Amino acid sequence: DVKVTQSSRYLVKRTGEKVFLECVQDMDHENMFWYRQDPGLGLRLIYFSYDVKMKEKGDIPEGYSVSREKKERFSLILESASTNQTSMYLCASSIPGQGGPENQPQHFGDGTRLSIL
Amino acid sequence: GQNIDQPTEMTATEGAIVQINCTYQTSGFNGLFWYQQHAGEAPTFLSYNVLDGLEEKGRFSSFLSRSKGYSYLLLKELQMKDSASYLCAVMDSNYQLIWGAGTKLIIKP
Repeated sequence: DVKVTQSSRYLVKRTGEKVFLECVQDMDHENMFWYRQDPGLGLRLIYFSYDVKMKEKGDIPEGYSVSREKKERFSLILESASTNQTSMYLCASSIPGQGGPENQPQHFGDGTRLSIL
Repeated sequence: GQNIDQPTEMTATEGAIVQINCTYQTSGFNGLFWYQQHAGEAPTFLSYNVLDGLEEKGRFSSFLSRSKGYSYLLLKELQMKDSASYLCAVMDSNYQLIWGAGTKLIIKP
C-alpha cells in the first residue's frame, strides 16, 4: 500500500526561525510535491520535483526552498519563518504518467499543521 | 487566469443522493480528478475523467463535459462516513494540477 509520511503532524515555531518539513515515500515514486492548504483556498503548489536533485518552482515558491537528495525524501525549508506561513502543509508523490496522467493520481501524506508565532 | 469553482458547503441526508458540481477554466486540459479529504486527514484519490461522460465506481460516479468546462461527483446511498470535503482538480496543459477550494459535505441522520 502507498505510504507518504510527513515527519510532524503539528509544529509550532517562532518568526525568523529556519523550519524544516520532511516527507518520505516508500513507493519509489519519481514525482514529489509540496502544497499548502488554507481555508477557502485550493491546494497551492509550492515546489515539485520529478527526480533526485531536481526541483521546480510551483505557484507560490517565495519564502520556501526544497531539497531532494534521495528519491524517497523531499524536504521543504522555510528560510526565515513568517506568520503568513502559518498553514497546513501537504506532501504528495506520484509516478510519471505511463500512457496518460490517469496513471498518476497523487498520494498524500497526512499533513503538517504549522503555526508560526 | 486559471480557475476552479465548486460550492463551499453542502448538506444531505443519510441514504439520499447528492451531486457536487465543479466548473473550471484552465490553460489546456489533461483530465479532472476528484479527491476526498476527511477532516485532519490526507486527501485520497476518488476518480479521474479525461473523456466526456460518466464514470461509475460503486456508490460514487463522476461526470465530465469538456465543452462546458463542467464536472460533477455523484454520491448515492449516502453514509455518515461520507461526511468530508471533496476536492476537484484539473490537470492543465503542463500536467500541473489546479485545485478547487473543496466542498464540505455534511451528512445528517
